[in-house]
Amino acid sequence: GDSVTQMEGPVTLSEEAFLTINCTYTATGYPSLFWYVQYPGEGLQLLLKATKADDKGSNKGFEATYRKETTSFHLEKGSVQVSDSAVYFCALTANTGNQFYFGTGTSLTVIP
Amino acid sequence: NAGVTQTPKFQVLKTGQSMTLQCAQDMNHEYMSWYRQDPGMGLRLIHYSVGAGITDQGEVPNGYNVSRSTTEDFPLRLLSAAPSQTSVYFCASSSRAGNQPQHFGDGTRLSIL
Repeated sequence: GDSVTQMEGPVTLSEEAFLTINCTYTATGYPSLFWYVQYPGEGLQLLLKATKADDKGSNKGFEATYRKETTSFHLEKGSVQVSDSAVYFCALTANTGNQFYFGTGTSLTVIP
Repeated sequence: NAGVTQTPKFQVLKTGQSMTLQCAQDMNHEYMSWYRQDPGMGLRLIHYSVGAGITDQGEVPNGYNVSRSTTEDFPLRLLSAAPSQTSVYFCASSSRAGNQPQHFGDGTRLSIL
Protein backbone atom coordinates (compact mmCIF):
# COMPACT_ATOMS: atom_id res chain seq x y z
CA GLY A 1 0.00 0.00 0.00
CA ASP A 2 0.88 3.66 -0.09
CA SER A 3 3.24 4.96 2.57
CA VAL A 4 5.63 7.74 3.50
CA THR A 5 8.97 7.41 5.25
CA GLN A 6 10.67 10.46 6.59
CA MET A 7 13.88 11.18 8.37
CA GLU A 8 13.74 10.62 12.08
CA GLY A 9 14.59 13.42 14.40
CA PRO A 10 14.99 15.33 16.42
CA VAL A 11 17.09 17.72 14.38
CA THR A 12 18.90 20.62 16.05
CA LEU A 13 20.50 23.34 13.95
CA SER A 14 22.07 26.70 14.56
CA GLU A 15 20.39 29.76 13.11
CA GLU A 16 21.28 30.33 9.43
CA ALA A 17 22.27 26.69 8.89
CA PHE A 18 21.09 24.69 5.88
CA LEU A 19 18.18 22.33 6.46
CA THR A 20 17.34 19.05 4.73
CA ILE A 21 14.61 16.70 5.91
CA ASN A 22 14.42 13.54 3.84
CA CYS A 23 11.15 12.05 2.68
CA THR A 24 10.59 9.03 0.45
CA TYR A 25 7.33 7.47 -0.58
CA THR A 26 5.74 4.32 -1.91
CA ALA A 27 2.65 4.71 -4.03
CA THR A 28 0.91 3.27 -7.03
CA GLY A 29 0.21 5.71 -9.79
CA TYR A 30 1.05 9.37 -9.48
CA PRO A 31 0.40 10.75 -6.00
CA SER A 32 0.40 14.37 -4.90
CA LEU A 33 2.98 15.21 -2.24
CA PHE A 34 2.83 17.67 0.63
CA TRP A 35 4.84 19.07 3.48
CA TYR A 36 2.99 20.20 6.58
CA VAL A 37 4.33 22.13 9.57
CA GLN A 38 3.05 21.92 13.14
CA TYR A 39 4.03 24.61 15.62
CA PRO A 40 3.78 23.82 19.34
CA GLY A 41 0.20 23.53 20.53
CA GLU A 42 -1.27 23.99 17.06
CA GLY A 43 -2.71 21.91 14.25
CA LEU A 44 -0.95 21.03 11.01
CA GLN A 45 -0.62 23.73 8.38
CA LEU A 46 0.15 23.15 4.74
CA LEU A 47 3.67 24.35 3.96
CA LEU A 48 4.01 23.39 0.30
CA LYS A 49 2.86 20.87 -2.25
CA ALA A 50 3.74 19.32 -5.61
CA THR A 51 1.31 17.46 -7.81
CA LYS A 52 3.44 15.92 -10.55
CA ALA A 53 6.95 14.75 -11.24
CA ASP A 54 9.64 17.46 -11.32
CA ASP A 55 7.31 20.02 -9.76
CA LYS A 56 8.95 22.19 -7.12
CA GLY A 57 6.83 23.41 -4.23
CA SER A 58 8.03 26.43 -2.31
CA ASN A 59 6.88 28.65 0.53
CA LYS A 60 8.52 30.82 3.22
CA GLY A 61 12.00 29.92 1.92
CA PHE A 62 11.32 26.17 2.04
CA GLU A 63 11.50 24.08 -1.12
CA ALA A 64 10.87 20.48 -2.13
CA THR A 65 11.08 18.82 -5.54
CA TYR A 66 8.94 15.86 -6.58
CA ARG A 67 11.44 13.25 -7.79
CA LYS A 68 9.67 10.29 -9.32
CA GLU A 69 12.87 8.46 -10.24
CA THR A 70 13.97 8.35 -6.60
CA THR A 71 10.44 8.49 -5.11
CA SER A 72 11.53 11.37 -2.91
CA PHE A 73 10.29 14.78 -1.78
CA HIS A 74 13.03 16.17 0.44
CA LEU A 75 12.41 19.44 2.26
CA GLU A 76 15.17 22.08 2.13
CA LYS A 77 15.78 25.58 3.40
CA GLY A 78 18.94 27.55 2.85
CA SER A 79 19.02 29.48 6.12
CA VAL A 80 16.82 28.46 9.04
CA GLN A 81 15.54 30.81 11.70
CA VAL A 82 14.53 30.24 15.31
CA SER A 83 10.92 30.72 14.22
CA ASP A 84 11.21 27.60 12.00
CA SER A 85 11.34 25.39 15.10
CA ALA A 86 8.42 23.01 14.63
CA VAL A 87 7.51 19.47 13.62
CA TYR A 88 7.46 18.79 9.88
CA PHE A 89 5.33 16.10 8.25
CA CYS A 90 5.64 14.69 4.76
CA ALA A 91 2.38 13.37 3.26
CA LEU A 92 0.90 11.98 0.07
CA THR A 93 -2.48 11.39 -1.43
CA ALA A 94 -3.44 9.34 -4.43
CA ASN A 95 -5.22 11.11 -7.21
CA THR A 96 -8.55 9.84 -5.94
CA GLY A 97 -8.01 12.08 -2.89
CA ASN A 98 -9.68 9.57 -0.63
CA GLN A 99 -6.89 8.96 1.82
CA PHE A 100 -3.80 10.74 3.00
CA TYR A 101 -0.68 9.06 4.27
CA PHE A 102 1.61 10.88 6.68
CA GLY A 103 5.15 10.32 7.78
CA THR A 104 5.90 10.16 11.49
CA GLY A 105 7.12 13.76 11.63
CA THR A 106 10.54 15.32 12.16
CA SER A 107 11.08 17.71 15.04
CA LEU A 108 13.31 20.68 14.24
CA THR A 109 14.83 22.97 16.84
CA VAL A 110 16.80 26.00 15.73
CA ILE A 111 19.06 27.60 18.32
CA PRO A 112 20.29 31.20 18.16
CA ASN B 1 -12.90 32.28 7.18
CA ALA B 2 -13.31 29.62 9.88
CA GLY B 3 -12.01 26.54 8.01
CA VAL B 4 -12.11 23.48 10.29
CA THR B 5 -13.40 24.06 13.82
CA GLN B 6 -12.93 21.56 16.61
CA THR B 7 -14.53 21.66 20.04
CA PRO B 8 -13.64 21.34 22.82
CA LYS B 9 -9.95 22.28 22.82
CA PHE B 10 -9.26 20.45 26.07
CA GLN B 11 -11.14 17.72 27.93
CA VAL B 12 -10.50 15.50 30.92
CA LEU B 13 -12.59 12.36 31.31
CA LYS B 14 -12.77 9.51 33.74
CA THR B 15 -12.40 5.94 32.54
CA GLY B 16 -15.72 4.63 31.26
CA GLN B 17 -17.24 8.01 30.46
CA SER B 18 -18.45 8.79 26.97
CA MET B 19 -18.13 11.98 25.00
CA THR B 20 -18.32 13.46 21.54
CA LEU B 21 -15.62 15.51 19.87
CA GLN B 22 -17.12 17.97 17.46
CA CYS B 23 -15.74 18.90 14.06
CA ALA B 24 -17.26 21.31 11.56
CA GLN B 25 -15.97 22.72 8.27
CA ASP B 26 -17.35 25.52 6.15
CA MET B 27 -15.50 24.80 2.90
CA ASN B 28 -18.04 22.33 1.46
CA HIS B 29 -15.40 19.61 1.50
CA GLU B 30 -16.53 16.08 0.77
CA TYR B 31 -13.71 14.32 2.54
CA MET B 32 -13.33 14.49 6.32
CA SER B 33 -11.18 12.48 8.66
CA TRP B 34 -10.14 12.04 12.27
CA TYR B 35 -6.57 11.40 13.40
CA ARG B 36 -4.96 10.89 16.72
CA GLN B 37 -1.44 12.09 17.41
CA ASP B 38 0.71 10.37 19.99
CA PRO B 39 4.38 11.02 20.80
CA GLY B 40 6.69 9.25 18.39
CA MET B 41 3.84 7.83 16.31
CA GLY B 42 2.89 10.65 14.01
CA LEU B 43 -0.71 10.82 12.86
CA ARG B 44 -2.88 7.73 12.82
CA LEU B 45 -6.17 7.68 10.94
CA ILE B 46 -9.18 6.70 13.07
CA HIS B 47 -12.17 7.09 10.72
CA TYR B 48 -12.89 8.97 7.55
CA SER B 49 -15.81 9.95 5.38
CA VAL B 50 -16.00 10.65 1.64
CA GLY B 51 -19.39 12.30 1.85
CA ALA B 52 -22.60 12.62 3.84
CA GLY B 53 -23.89 9.22 4.89
CA ILE B 54 -20.62 7.43 4.09
CA THR B 55 -17.98 6.55 6.67
CA ASP B 56 -15.16 4.03 6.83
CA GLN B 57 -12.54 2.81 9.25
CA GLY B 58 -8.96 3.91 9.29
CA GLU B 59 -5.94 2.40 10.96
CA VAL B 60 -7.09 2.59 14.61
CA PRO B 61 -10.93 2.61 14.74
CA ASN B 62 -11.56 0.53 17.86
CA GLY B 63 -13.34 2.39 20.65
CA TYR B 64 -14.54 5.19 18.35
CA ASN B 65 -17.70 5.80 16.36
CA VAL B 66 -18.45 8.39 13.71
CA SER B 67 -21.39 9.52 11.64
CA ARG B 68 -21.76 12.00 8.81
CA SER B 69 -25.30 13.28 8.54
CA THR B 70 -24.30 16.56 6.86
CA THR B 71 -21.43 17.71 4.68
CA GLU B 72 -20.32 20.16 7.36
CA ASP B 73 -20.17 18.03 10.50
CA PHE B 74 -18.19 14.92 11.40
CA PRO B 75 -18.37 14.14 15.14
CA LEU B 76 -16.20 11.52 16.81
CA ARG B 77 -17.69 9.56 19.70
CA LEU B 78 -15.81 7.79 22.42
CA LEU B 79 -18.20 5.16 23.74
CA SER B 80 -16.38 4.17 26.94
CA ALA B 81 -13.18 6.13 27.46
CA ALA B 82 -9.98 4.28 28.31
CA PRO B 83 -6.59 5.69 29.39
CA SER B 84 -5.12 4.43 26.09
CA GLN B 85 -7.29 7.00 24.33
CA THR B 86 -5.41 9.87 25.96
CA SER B 87 -4.14 11.74 22.93
CA VAL B 88 -4.45 14.82 20.77
CA TYR B 89 -7.21 14.46 18.19
CA PHE B 90 -7.25 16.28 14.88
CA CYS B 91 -10.05 16.62 12.40
CA ALA B 92 -9.22 17.39 8.78
CA SER B 93 -11.13 18.03 5.58
CA SER B 94 -10.35 18.23 1.89
CA SER B 95 -11.95 18.35 -1.50
CA ARG B 96 -12.27 14.96 -3.15
CA ALA B 97 -10.73 16.36 -6.27
CA GLY B 98 -7.22 15.03 -6.71
CA ASN B 99 -4.19 17.05 -5.68
CA GLN B 100 -5.89 18.98 -2.91
CA PRO B 101 -4.37 19.27 0.58
CA GLN B 102 -6.09 18.51 3.84
CA HIS B 103 -7.07 21.37 6.13
CA PHE B 104 -6.69 20.70 9.84
CA GLY B 105 -8.42 21.94 12.93
CA ASP B 106 -6.47 23.09 15.98
CA GLY B 107 -6.96 19.81 17.80
CA THR B 108 -8.62 18.51 20.95
CA ARG B 109 -6.33 17.53 23.81
CA LEU B 110 -8.02 14.67 25.64
CA SER B 111 -6.90 13.10 28.91
CA ILE B 112 -8.50 9.97 30.32
CA LEU B 113 -7.89 9.37 34.01
